[in-house]
Amino acid sequence: QSALTQPASVSGSPGQSITISCTGTSSDVGGYNYVSWYQQHPGKAPKLMIYDVSNRPSGLSNRFSGSKSGSTASLTISGLQAEDEADYYCSSYTSSSTVVVFGGGTKLTVL
Amino acid sequence: EVQLVESGGGLVQPGGSLRLSCAASGFTFSTYTMNWVRQAPGKGLEWVSYISTTSSTIYYADSVKGRFTISRDNAKNSLYLQMNSLRDEDTAVYYCARGGRGWYVDYWGQGTLVTVSS
Repeated sequence: QSALTQPASVSGSPGQSITISCTGTSSDVGGYNYVSWYQQHPGKAPKLMIYDVSNRPSGLSNRFSGSKSGSTASLTISGLQAEDEADYYCSSYTSSSTVVVFGGGTKLTVL
Repeated sequence: EVQLVESGGGLVQPGGSLRLSCAASGFTFSTYTMNWVRQAPGKGLEWVSYISTTSSTIYYADSVKGRFTISRDNAKNSLYLQMNSLRDEDTAVYYCARGGRGWYVDYWGQGTLVTVSS
């Protein structure tokens, strides 16, 4: 069982917006602004999408945005496109001995 | 262009050992923290280990503590993971991952598959 909880799947139609949640505790998501999000297409390495809760790497589309409220972080993708179909993982620093924890991943389907 | 190329994966029997390597290029290796992250077949990502720029700070996931050892050679722009006492549940693709200026990974290698099986 993953330390951070994500929905197993979400779906949306092209052009719509979707939000993926990532729920932790005060020891990780709720206690620090060190939440990051990764996109992974089948057979490929993950790609950084959001870091430090809401920052986008240089060159990344502004259709991707991140936020946090309490111990739940969220990734929002607006103007959904076919190429956004992938697995998405959240991650956070944690005060436990593990230091870094991931969510179980969310499969995004573009209908 | 940042490149991270892993090597050393393969088939090993339970209880055996394997050493993974990661060759880094396209950036000043000595100024970045590094990580190993793994992904079991059909499963999610699991962080394995972290090493600071000078190797002074090292962390491990509880699942590998006491069995795996992370190290780096800044002169050779290389990261390593020595894996001992391997178990079936260590079977995964192992990614070499560059740390960003915080607790995240900004670049990933393509991964190397480690299969632990008799």
